[in-house]
Amino acid sequence: DGGITQSPKYLFRKEGQNVTLSCEQNLNHDAMYWYRQDPGQGLRLIYYSQIVNDFQKGDIAEGYSVSREKKESFPLTVTSAQKNPTAFYLCASTRDPTSSKTYGYTFGSGTRLTVV
Amino acid sequence: AQSVAQPEDQVNVAEGNPLTVKCTYSVSGNPYLFWYVQYPNRGLQFLLKYITGDNLVKGSYGFEAEFNKSQTSFHLKKPSALVSDSALYFCAVRDRGAGSYQLTFGKGTKLSVIP
Repeated sequence: DGGITQSPKYLFRKEGQNVTLSCEQNLNHDAMYWYRQDPGQGLRLIYYSQIVNDFQKGDIAEGYSVSREKKESFPLTVTSAQKNPTAFYLCASTRDPTSSKTYGYTFGSGTRLTVV
Repeated sequence: AQSVAQPEDQVNVAEGNPLTVKCTYSVSGNPYLFWYVQYPNRGLQFLLKYITGDNLVKGSYGFEAEFNKSQTSFHLKKPSALVSDSALYFCAVRDRGAGSYQLTFGKGTKLSVIP
């Protein structure tokens, strides 16, 4: 079955450490997104990519980095510059985001990151 | 700029009663509107969407939503709530006329269905 796979499900980070969250999709979707979810704050966009080898900052990109070397993959690195990284991270994808058909997003199951 | 508001952080309803989760939006053009549901420690699941046409949209699990352009609202409804409907619900909007290719999500409404 097609879908989005996020790994790991739980991740623990020590102070000053970089960690990478994986997001892989086999839906042949063009665009991919990373969101951060904190209680009571909804979903906040970190980075997004509409095509391979191109990505844009979202609303809260500071302390994060991404790459999009393959259509299927959009890993997120949480760097030591992100001072409060404890949160639930969600990856999403969609077919041609410029289409008037507006397909909506498919979400992964999330990664819960905790600073220890 | 596009935005969406969910005015209620939490909605409580008795099992078997009708439920409504409210959503209002702001766009410069015409909207695409979505509802998603999230269960604990899971990703969001698509419920329904409004693109054009009938103002009443039917979706998964017996949910429906009514698009009201004059009130800029897209409230989620279900005639008879189930305990299993207890979850976090998100409304999302995309502005069709502004060249926006992203969805903007509300902050979510926690629905609790009481047995």
